Amino acid sequence: AAGVIQSPRHLIKEKRETATLKCYPIPRHDTVYWYQQGPGQDPQFLISFYEKMQSDKGSIPDRFSAQQFSDYHSELNMSSLELGDSALYFCASTPGEGDTGELFFGEGSRLTVL
Amino acid sequence: SQQGEEDPQALSIQEGENATMNCSYKTSINNLQWYRQNSGRGLVHLILIRSNEREKHSGRLRVTLDTSKKSSSLLITASRAADTASYFCATDGETSYDKVIFGPGTSLSVIP
Repeated sequence: AAGVIQSPRHLIKEKRETATLKCYPIPRHDTVYWYQQGPGQDPQFLISFYEKMQSDKGSIPDRFSAQQFSDYHSELNMSSLELGDSALYFCASTPGEGDTGELFFGEGSRLTVL
Repeated sequence: SQQGEEDPQALSIQEGENATMNCSYKTSINNLQWYRQNSGRGLVHLILIRSNEREKHSGRLRVTLDTSKKSSSLLITASRAADTASYFCATDGETSYDKVIFGPGTSLSVIP
């Protein structure tokens, strides 16, 4: 069965550079979530989208932005990268808005900022 | 913060024993979910319990929910070495379906 696809799986950037992470949800899933997980930490909710509109926002820094496109894939753009941005970034998808059900996670994108 | 603490933070048991993990949360919820994560991998959904349910079973998993205490427990029976992972509970908000918040997690080690 198709799963959530994230790319790239690994990314190394210098401080103050920019990075873009991509997420391709499971087909017919129209809700996408982004999470940031630092080493030994729990996943921190960043932002979610439903039907290409932002539906909720968490602890996403102003330096980050995200959007969901017409094909439902989503991109997380990170600018002015800081050392503290080094983390695993997960995308998850669900079939739709409403009663929250199971989140299907990708394998994550590991960002290292040097 | 929507989430409280997960208890214990780390748990080490022998294969065949039962493992119990607890989590607490702060706000009203619609659902509470438990997820498992192997090191550096994506999270995998284990079980969902709705706010009007008190107990749910799935295979070797048993989840309880006490909304009056805003707490939940996950019991894994007859543990196996392959159960070694981190376990997280996650809650939505009563009025915010698209904001699923994870707790700190319990790191479970099952020793063969």
